[in-house]
Amino acid sequence: GAGVSQTPSNKVTEKGKYVELRCDPISGHTALYWYRQSLGQGPEFLIYFQGTGAADDSGLPNDRFFAVRPEGSVSTLKIQRTERGDSAVYLCASSLSGRNEQFFGPGTRLTVL
Amino acid sequence: DAKTTQPPSMDCAEGRAANLPCNHSTISGNEYVYWYRQIHSQGPQYIIHGLKNNETNEMASLIITEDRKSSTLILPHATLRDTAVYYCIVRGISSGSARQLTFGSGTQLTVLP
Repeated sequence: GAGVSQTPSNKVTEKGKYVELRCDPISGHTALYWYRQSLGQGPEFLIYFQGTGAADDSGLPNDRFFAVRPEGSVSTLKIQRTERGDSAVYLCASSLSGRNEQFFGPGTRLTVL
Repeated sequence: DAKTTQPPSMDCAEGRAANLPCNHSTISGNEYVYWYRQIHSQGPQYIIHGLKNNETNEMASLIITEDRKSSTLILPHATLRDTAVYYCIVRGISSGSARQLTFGSGTQLTVLP
């Protein structure tokens, strides 16, 4: 079946702009995660959704970052007033529940000029 | 979640077994050992997980020492497509455990022709 998909695959924006990154999880997966990966490092947790609600947003670096999952399926990660330090690959993962293995999408490469 | 220690890099000849070690000396009784890998420019891929018994699936085998302080991931017949960064992750699944994965730096496995 279809895996986790993320759009766009690449996003180039200018400093100060607003961006939205989309994640389509595997159908039926109630848990959804966002991670961020900088060059040469492992992925870092941002936020975890169980259904429609953010069960853990402790990884969001500051209030410029926000994520939603209004219908418990697709999720959007929103970044306001982007900074050059936000440049990274943003990964989305989903799992059947919060205790199962996570399946990752290919990521969105964000470049802030 | 417990911290893990892995060698930064390893080489393996194609067709030979690749044995990737991981130390997790502070693991607690309700924490599982998970292995993921990340091929260049892709999202991480789940490989296998275990609690205390050895596990095997179509991708790999996981050997966990009796004291659970270390483990080894075994790829029995490595191919060039197994070249990737391999992450060993300790994760609790009790009701109070964090649901996200905590990635370290991993081991860069290079399979040589």
